[in-house]
Amino acid sequence: DVKVTQSSRYLVKRTGEKVFLECVQDMDHENMFWYRQDPGLGLRLIYFSYDVKMKEKGDIPEGYSVSREKKERFSLILESASTNQTSMYLCASSYRGPISYEQYFGPGTRLTVT
Amino acid sequence: DQQVKQNSPSLSVQEGRISILNCDYTNSMFDYFLWYKKYPAEGPTFLISISSIKDKNEDGRFTVFLNKSAKHLSLHIVPSQPGDSAVYFCAASDPKGDAGNNRKLIWGLGTSLAVNP
Repeated sequence: DVKVTQSSRYLVKRTGEKVFLECVQDMDHENMFWYRQDPGLGLRLIYFSYDVKMKEKGDIPEGYSVSREKKERFSLILESASTNQTSMYLCASSYRGPISYEQYFGPGTRLTVT
Repeated sequence: DQQVKQNSPSLSVQEGRISILNCDYTNSMFDYFLWYKKYPAEGPTFLISISSIKDKNEDGRFTVFLNKSAKHLSLHIVPSQPGDSAVYFCAASDPKGDAGNNRKLIWGLGTSLAVNP
């Protein structure tokens, strides 16, 4: 069974803290993604990676960075957390290939920045 | 500008009846479409997909219809069940910059479906 896990389900941080969100997939997927979901705004892509040490900016990369040192792990970093980064963060992974573009999601991390 | 639009933020249907969720897109180059279901406090889960070379795909109670000329797709759920109550997202695969199939999905804003017993 496919599995994407995220390090925390709920997280509360203070403004200015450095925050690490970890994502691990066990499906040997090449592609990994970080999204945030906010009411009325749907899923917005922050960053994605299609290979180890590779990263591409998504639609809203400002205030975030990522790290992919191993194929199975993709980390999202909030360099200095701000209240407008309070959100649900979702990690996803997918195969790289023409057959299917289905992304598999983790359970999400609800981050609150106070 | 939204390339994938779900114009109905919410939909309410009676148990046993048909639910129809709609999705419109603007980019005629999109070649693969997916529907996801999302419960609160969980990640989205894949439901059904369709390639642009087809006009219908069916999986149990779920059927997706694609009208390429109208740039419109719809998800039909028959019969609807209370457990179907969730937010449904439509997504399209963007072939732009498809070097090595490094594709992104372009997402709609979702439609919240409530199935009433």
